[in-house]
Amino acid sequence: GQQVMQIPQYQHVQEGEDFTTYCNSSTTLSNIQWYKQRPGGHPVFLIQLVKSGEVKKQKRLTFQFGEAKKNSSLHITATQTTDVGTYFCAGLANAGGTSYGKLTFGQGTILTVHP
Amino acid sequence: EAGVAQSPRYKIIEKRQSVAFWCNPISGHATLYWYQQILGQGPKLLIQFQNNGVVDDSQLPKDRFSAERLKGVDSTLKIQPAKLEDSAVYLCASSLWTGEAFFGQGTRLTVV
Repeated sequence: GQQVMQIPQYQHVQEGEDFTTYCNSSTTLSNIQWYKQRPGGHPVFLIQLVKSGEVKKQKRLTFQFGEAKKNSSLHITATQTTDVGTYFCAGLANAGGTSYGKLTFGQGTILTVHP
Repeated sequence: EAGVAQSPRYKIIEKRQSVAFWCNPISGHATLYWYQQILGQGPKLLIQFQNNGVVDDSQLPKDRFSAERLKGVDSTLKIQPAKLEDSAVYLCASSLWTGEAFFGQGTRLTVV
């Protein structure tokens, strides 16, 4: 079945440092989505990438979708304490035997930011 | 617009008991997901509905877990009988076709 792997599992940074998390899928994706989950909270949607090689920016966050639509990355420039949380990628791929997409999450990267 | 509603928020049961969770998705969202999230891990897809049909339930432990989506709207997830390893947060989410998934607050289940 489809697998989505995410690295690193943990990342500790000093405030102001940059942060990057990487996501790889075992199958070609229709789209890749990124979510943030604060401690004790639920995943909250950040962005969706659909096109091969697509790059999107949200303030200090930059998201990339690989040319083969099997990998993605999230880069945060100059981290702030408000960036603390777990970042998940989620890949949408066709569920076997159907034309519908199945949304599979990676294991997440836990980001801690030291002031 | 109202978000995804889940109940209960918390549930503590003894092993071998049964439990049910309820989810009301955002109005008009055809896709509904149930995820299991064990502490420190990513959400694991248990079952995905498109309207009232099942798209994927390959990771649903069917000997003890069941789910239905009545009339393509509300959904219930049941565990019978529960095991200690079922302790987790059960998240319901809904979306339009292939877009952004909106999550509910989740139900934290503790099996003792």
